[in-house]
Amino acid sequence: EPEVTQTPSHQVTQMGQEVILRCVPISNHLYFYWYRQILGQKVEFLVSFYNNEISEKSEIFDDQFSVERPDGSNFTLKIRSTKLEDSAMYFCASSGEWPQPQHFGDGTRLSIL
Amino acid sequence: SQQGEEDPQALSIQEGENATMNCSYKTSINNLQWYRQNSGRGLVHLILIRSNEREKHSGRLRVTLDTSKKSSSLLITASRAADTASYFCATVYEILTGGGNKLTFGTGTQLKVEL
Repeated sequence: EPEVTQTPSHQVTQMGQEVILRCVPISNHLYFYWYRQILGQKVEFLVSFYNNEISEKSEIFDDQFSVERPDGSNFTLKIRSTKLEDSAMYFCASSGEWPQPQHFGDGTRLSIL
Repeated sequence: SQQGEEDPQALSIQEGENATMNCSYKTSINNLQWYRQNSGRGLVHLILIRSNEREKHSGRLRVTLDTSKKSSSLLITASRAADTASYFCATVYEILTGGGNKLTFGTGTQLKVEL
């Protein structure tokens, strides 16, 4: 069964640095998402992306964050000037046409020191 | 917010018993989904129930939806040790401009099935 893959599985970065989290969505999916889960808290929606544009973003997704689909297979989340509170699990997901469910990757654990 | 809240937060049962988890939400929904998360892994979709459906089955899973009470339940019958995981309900909001859908997750129920 096709899977969403995320790399790296764990990223350790100094505060203030930039990080790029990478995802390969399922190949025939059209919609791409990022979520995050701070330790002990709920999984939170960050952004959805379709047709090379952001279709919706949450209040969390401010100017510090950006997403990109640089080629036909990858989907990235860039976090600039990382802060301690950016430490979390970041999940990528993809889906086909509504109302097909979203399929999630195993996440990238981001640790900001 | 459409946040779902699960109850109980933690549930420990013996293998072979049934496990019931409940979810409440606040606003109207398009549909509601249940996901499972094994420790250190991503979320796995289990079942989707539309707002005009009252009950749905998938293997050992049974989901109910009561839109008047804004609640849903997930029943796992004849539980197995491999069912040990966290279970989340997610309310679904269709993104009308641009497409796709946005999931709002609850706090989850940690299920432990003991041998």
